Amino acid sequence: KNQVEQSPQSLIILEGKNCTLQCNYTVSPFSNLRWYKQDTGRGPVSLTIMTFSENTKSNGRYTATLDADTKQSSLHITASQLSDSASYICVVGENTGTASKLTFGTGTRLQVTL
Amino acid sequence: DGGITQSPKYLFRKEGQNVTLSCEQNLNHDAMYWYRQDPGQGLRLIYYSQIVNDFQKGDIAEGYSVSREKKESFPLTVTSAQKNPTAFYLCASSMMDRSYEQYFGPGTRLTVT
Repeated sequence: KNQVEQSPQSLIILEGKNCTLQCNYTVSPFSNLRWYKQDTGRGPVSLTIMTFSENTKSNGRYTATLDADTKQSSLHITASQLSDSASYICVVGENTGTASKLTFGTGTRLQVTL
Repeated sequence: DGGITQSPKYLFRKEGQNVTLSCEQNLNHDAMYWYRQDPGQGLRLIYYSQIVNDFQKGDIAEGYSVSREKKESFPLTVTSAQKNPTAFYLCASSMMDRSYEQYFGPGTRLTVT
């Protein structure tokens, strides 16, 4: 069964600090991996997307890495801000030929405090 | 939230009543999706549609129904057969050949008592 596991479940950091969120997956055949940010009570918003051949992708203070051999990804947030407080969801796409079936992780809840 | 709107944001219903959640998109996307989000669980696919007048069941379709009469609209009906309807419902859309690149709406929180 395809699975996406994220760690930690929750995280509290001080404003200005860096943090790294982890994502391990068993999805096969792998197509792509995406990180979303979801504010409480809102829809997820895409941060980065990586395919098999990409091992890093940046979006401002967010940098995602992908190791397709070990089936691991990480999302690094630099110089955190209060507005970074949200859930971060790792989503892995399975190559089904005609479409990409997505498997969602349960998310990491990040709280940035003063 | 892009060009996807969901209404209403909050919805309350009594047990045994059917309820319809609205999803509209102006992104000219071919495909649309409905997901359910529960605490501590990843998003689960309820139904999806890749073309007008056609749709397929997702992983948890029981107790739900959909229609796709227009490209822009993909309403979801939560029927009384759905045993645990209280949840956060998310609609998404994508281009047909880029189904991994889904754009999400703001969601509807349904509470059934």
